[in-house]
Amino acid sequence: EDQVTQSPEALRLQEGESSSLNCSYTVSGLRGLFWYRQDPGKGPEFLFTLYSAGEEKEKERLKATLTKKESFLHITAPKPEDSATYLCLCSSGSARQLTFGSGTQLTVLP
Amino acid sequence: NAGVTQTPKFQVLKTGQSMTLQCAQDMNHEYMSWYRQDPGMGLRLIHYSVGAGITDQGEVPNGYNVSRSTTEDFPLRLLSAAPSQTSVYFCASSSGPTPTSPLHFGNGTRLTVT
Repeated sequence: EDQVTQSPEALRLQEGESSSLNCSYTVSGLRGLFWYRQDPGKGPEFLFTLYSAGEEKEKERLKATLTKKESFLHITAPKPEDSATYLCLCSSGSARQLTFGSGTQLTVLP
Repeated sequence: NAGVTQTPKFQVLKTGQSMTLQCAQDMNHEYMSWYRQDPGMGLRLIHYSVGAGITDQGEVPNGYNVSRSTTEDFPLRLLSAAPSQTSVYFCASSSGPTPTSPLHFGNGTRLTVT
């Protein structure tokens, strides 16, 4: 059975304090790993897709990396507006085989 | 461009009542899907469709029905609501067949069953 585990469950940072969120996965035949941002009362918003180990993607203060066992979402010099829940999704095989992590709730204090 | 639109935003049902959660997308996406989000758990796939007239079950399909008569619409029906169906429901669409295409989500329907 595919499993996706995100850590930590919650993270509080001071503005400007860089850190990383982790997504650890055991998935048969990973086809893609997706990162999403979710604000309270909203649907998840797509950030990145990673397809193979060694791949990296960047967007503003965020950088996503992928290994054969895990993905990291690095946040450099975060701002309060980066506060949100970050979700990891692993996709394998058919259209049915989608496994979400339970998310990391990030709070950035001014 | 509206993207994925879900209605209603909030709904309260009594046990045994039925209702339909609406989902519409204006991006001409073939793939559409429904998820439920419960505290402490990841989103779980309920049903999905890879095109008009084609639907299939996801991880947690029991108690839910779907149909896909047009590319744009993918309603989710609860035939006899139960308290265990209290959750936040999200609809999503994708331009291509997962697993390689990002999902675009609506803003959800918060359902409470008493």
